[in-house]
Amino acid sequence: QKEVEQDPGPLSVPEGAIVSLNCTYSNSAFQYFMWYRQYSRKGPELLMYTYSSGNKEDGRFTAQVDKSSKYISLFIRDSQPSDSATYLCAMTSLYNAGKSTFGDGTTLTVKP
Amino acid sequence: EAGVVQSPRYKIIEKKQPVAFWCNPISGHNTLYWYRQNLGQGPELLIRYENEEAVDDSQLPKDRFSAERLKGVDSTLKIQPAELGDSAVYLCASSLEGSDNSPLHFGNGTRLTVT
Repeated sequence: QKEVEQDPGPLSVPEGAIVSLNCTYSNSAFQYFMWYRQYSRKGPELLMYTYSSGNKEDGRFTAQVDKSSKYISLFIRDSQPSDSATYLCAMTSLYNAGKSTFGDGTTLTVKP
Repeated sequence: EAGVVQSPRYKIIEKKQPVAFWCNPISGHNTLYWYRQNLGQGPELLIRYENEEAVDDSQLPKDRFSAERLKGVDSTLKIQPAELGDSAVYLCASSLEGSDNSPLHFGNGTRLTVT
């Protein structure tokens, strides 16, 4: 079993929809949680970066971390066609800083 | 700020041939990473450098893969000889400091196809 499991998708939604992307993990030492967006044939780019539990909002994006359930989510409000990409969750621990463990990604398509 | 630069973007080789990838990280970033991303999967760490020292190469298949980061700036990843299963995207990333969980900045990768 992988340390990080991500809802595989693919996910297709109409423009303006609220999107929920989710990951679960098994390593309780993970303390830093990231979401990356990867467009086709590009490298991942950092979207959200959170430490420990709680919510973080940045424009249309909200990241949630529930360490008690080992569950993280990324919400996208008012989704746009430009949000169509693969979304990767990633996490690191205090004890192995610098080694990010990634989920396998969820591919999102937002239809106009 | 210039991003992480990788070359070549694409490489097609026959199995058993050697291949090399080059990476120039963001200026001032001490930590450099090489990741491999198979189709439909997330990136997996191959090696991490702090300046010129390889501090985590536990996932690097050392029988055929080698890497170097001379002078703590640019880095080269080599495969010799390549196998069919090495077909993947090789991503380079850099961060200010690996020890403080600084976010990663990725290049656009080198897509390797081994035939």
